[in-house]
Amino acid sequence: SQQGEEDPQALSIQEGENATMNCSYKTSINNLQWYRQNSGRGLVHLILIRSNEREKHSGRLRVTLDTSKKSSSLLITASRAADTASYFCATKGGKLIFGQGTELSVKP
Amino acid sequence: NAGVTQTPKFQVLKTGQSMTLQCAQDMNHNSMYWYRQDPGMGLRLIYYSASEGTTDKGEVPNGYNVSRLNKREFSLRLESAAPSQTSVYFCASSGTWGGDTGELFFGEGSRLTVL
Repeated sequence: SQQGEEDPQALSIQEGENATMNCSYKTSINNLQWYRQNSGRGLVHLILIRSNEREKHSGRLRVTLDTSKKSSSLLITASRAADTASYFCATKGGKLIFGQGTELSVKP
Repeated sequence: NAGVTQTPKFQVLKTGQSMTLQCAQDMNHNSMYWYRQDPGMGLRLIYYSASEGTTDKGEVPNGYNVSRLNKREFSLRLESAAPSQTSVYFCASSGTWGGDTGELFFGEGSRLTVL
């Protein structure tokens, strides 16, 4: 069974808007990671947040983690058409388990 | 720097045929993984190797075998392919295991169709 579940499954926004994706998980974790996958390509690591961290930033990315609610969110600010991709959360309590992903479409 | 290299990129098999997917990494990583990706199912872990000389089952190991040939290479074998194994297969590696780090580096995928 999947450890992480992303919400929404699909998101369509205009360029310049912010995109927020959420991830819920079931068991205790060491860290939570977000990955991006462009169509037909492999996954690329975006950002890692440890279980003792609450928020982390990397460029236009902001990740939050609420271990009491077993949830995380990924915010992409000022989105661009090039941000169109699928985004996955992955949780690590040993081996890395991925969610089903959110498909983000950013329209020019 | 090539990173993680998978071969072949595409393969069509008939039911019952066997094949091996090859994966090699040049980052001196200890841990390697095989995932499959199906529409609506995300990525599911098939097998992993925490370190050279060890392999363990993931979420969906049935119908597959693996070999950690050396630190660089981790192969996935389908002994008797079934249509349910039609999928995109990803190999990944990471430098650490079991701790609070463990960013994965992925290959570009191997697209397998079983007729």
